[in-house]
Amino acid sequence: AIRMTQSPSSLSASTGDRVTITCRASQGISSYLAWYQQKPGKAPKLLIYAASTLQSGVPSRFSGSGSGTDFTLTISCLQSEDFATYYCQQYYSYPLITFGQGTRLEIK
Amino acid sequence: QLQLQESGPGLVKPSETLSLTCTVSGGSISSSSYYWGWIRQPPGKGLEWIGSIYYSGSTYYNPSLKSRVTISVDTSKNQFSLKLSSVTAADTAVYYCARLDSTQAKAFDIWGQGTMVTVSS
Repeated sequence: AIRMTQSPSSLSASTGDRVTITCRASQGISSYLAWYQQKPGKAPKLLIYAASTLQSGVPSRFSGSGSGTDFTLTISCLQSEDFATYYCQQYYSYPLITFGQGTRLEIK
Repeated sequence: QLQLQESGPGLVKPSETLSLTCTVSGGSISSSSYYWGWIRQPPGKGLEWIGSIYYSGSTYYNPSLKSRVTISVDTSKNQFSLKLSSVTAADTAVYYCARLDSTQAKAFDIWGQGTMVTVSS
């Protein structure tokens, strides 16, 4: 099974900061990666798929990059509503799915 | 606007079978463009994919849960269901149903609100 490892597990930042979250796959997954945002008590929301394609309606301050085994999610200018937990998900083995363990983004 | 809604008991006894249903409204579960999936999240922990089903009935399960999981679909009711047998406290979680895009995104693009299931005697 493909394992997804996110780093860091948690991150503190301030409004206006630029932050980067990393996701590493245990084997090459091409660009078959998605990113989700989850706020407390809510279902996850799809942000990015195909490693870098923004889902409709997602602000352009979110961006994704990477291919193979190493991927990043970048938020260019943090807004208050961006403080949440972020998950990566591989679909190289689609329809078998694996999520990363999550990165909690907190207010400094 | 497509919506998904989970339903089922919020409390299940250890060793029994957890049963949940996801009702799809505002669209057809029989679309060839989507799979339909179950994901769970234990309190304070991350997301775990349980399994997915196509409208034809083809199923795919997380290998770690495969021996205990059955997912089925009822196209006449626009619903799909989850059964998880021999539950323990480790199965206590919020259970989400979601639509899995099979064309472009190949990700879960629409989610239900989730339902909390507690395993306890």
